[in-house]
Amino acid sequence: TQLLEQSPQFLSIQEGENLTVYCNSSSVFSSLQWYRQEPGEGPVLLVTVVTGGEVKKLKRLTFQFGDARKDSSLHITAAQPGDTGLYLCAGETGANNLFFGTGTRLTVIP
Amino acid sequence: DTGVSQDPRHKITKRGQNVTFRCDPISEHNRLYWYRQTLGQGPEFLTYFQNEAQLEKSRLLSDRFSAERPKGSFSTLEIQRTEQGDSAMYLCASSLAFSIGPVETQYFGPGTRLLVL
Repeated sequence: TQLLEQSPQFLSIQEGENLTVYCNSSSVFSSLQWYRQEPGEGPVLLVTVVTGGEVKKLKRLTFQFGDARKDSSLHITAAQPGDTGLYLCAGETGANNLFFGTGTRLTVIP
Repeated sequence: DTGVSQDPRHKITKRGQNVTFRCDPISEHNRLYWYRQTLGQGPEFLTYFQNEAQLEKSRLLSDRFSAERPKGSFSTLEIQRTEQGDSAMYLCASSLAFSIGPVETQYFGPGTRLLVL
């Protein structure tokens, strides 16, 4: 069973601070996706990383895929209240379904 | 907007009753997925369709659960003899297989939140 562990599980920070969320597994994934989910809504895709060591930037968000394609991180610079939500990583093994992590619930306090 | 839609958004039922949820995918998306998400957890894969064919089912999908996609467009997920443990958010996603790029993107609907009393 593929298991994706995210840390921290909960994170509460002040507006303007930086943060990093981690997604770790013992399994190798062909790709890894990051989603943000708001209460009562479905997850919304932020980014997909495919190549080991790949780094992608989306405005204030930086995503990195580990060299061995087993782990990933999400770094947010100068967090804003609009960044509040549940951040989920999801790994794809090539079998046409996604294995989601346990999630990191981020709260950015104004 | 032609995003993924799900109906109903909320459902409260008594234990032992049957419930049915509907998912309308993005037009022309040939793949449709069902996931279940319990409080504080990430979504868990249940099953997926390519066109009208159900190609994979998770062990989470007990024999009380059945999913259909009769015409390769909308899909229904039925739970028979509901149990309190079935309480969860049921998410639907769709994607276009063989689209350009190494990985197909799954687009999620808003979910149906089920509460079994």
